[in-house]
Amino acid sequence: GAVVSQHPSWVICKSGTSVKIECRSLDFQATTMFWYRQFPKQSLMLMATSNEGSKATYEQGVEKDKFLINHASLTLSTLTVTSAHPEDSSFYICSARDPLAGVRDTQYFGPGTRLTVL
Amino acid sequence: QKEVEQNSGPLSVPEGAIASLNCTYSDRGSQSFFWYRQYSGKSPELIMSIYSNGDKEDGRFTAQLNKASQYVSLLIRDSQPSDSATYLCAVNLHMLTFGGGTRLMVKP
Repeated sequence: GAVVSQHPSWVICKSGTSVKIECRSLDFQATTMFWYRQFPKQSLMLMATSNEGSKATYEQGVEKDKFLINHASLTLSTLTVTSAHPEDSSFYICSARDPLAGVRDTQYFGPGTRLTVL
Repeated sequence: QKEVEQNSGPLSVPEGAIASLNCTYSDRGSQSFFWYRQYSGKSPELIMSIYSNGDKEDGRFTAQLNKASQYVSLLIRDSQPSDSATYLCAVNLHMLTFGGGTRLMVKP
């Protein structure tokens, strides 16, 4: 299957700082990428849909000014958590959709980034 | 009503048994159905996809889809302790919607 990478795999930062997470599709071009957040023992929560060359679409309740998403190329999307606070500590996972799969679009997940804000 | 529902479990089965995981969905127009496995602290891993009614087998895994009844299931034969994980059902219409997951525990 397709490979999606994320960097970094984990990060610890101080409250008030910003953190950037990268998501790359390694062997296919992804016109659409997705960003999820998962708190312990809870299911995945979709934060936003990132489309190459256009603005991201955020889910209800997700602050677009706090979670900045940039999808500048067909293989790279970035999520920046601005002015991070301890409540932003979570497991952030990206996924990418293979456009060649057509209507049967399968999403492939990156390995995730564990963010801890002190 | 949740769009994709799963029993949260845990579902406990002995090693070697068949584990049966179920999922129901609300939107009749859904076209694609997926099962992901997620180990604790890891991201989801796609294990099965199914698009038409009936069974689809891949090794020890069998996915079953019944669009009339709006359910999709996953059978794991000869369950192994390494199968212990949370299994996420996902249904795609306009976007991929996940169920809450079922935690499976396979006891040696």
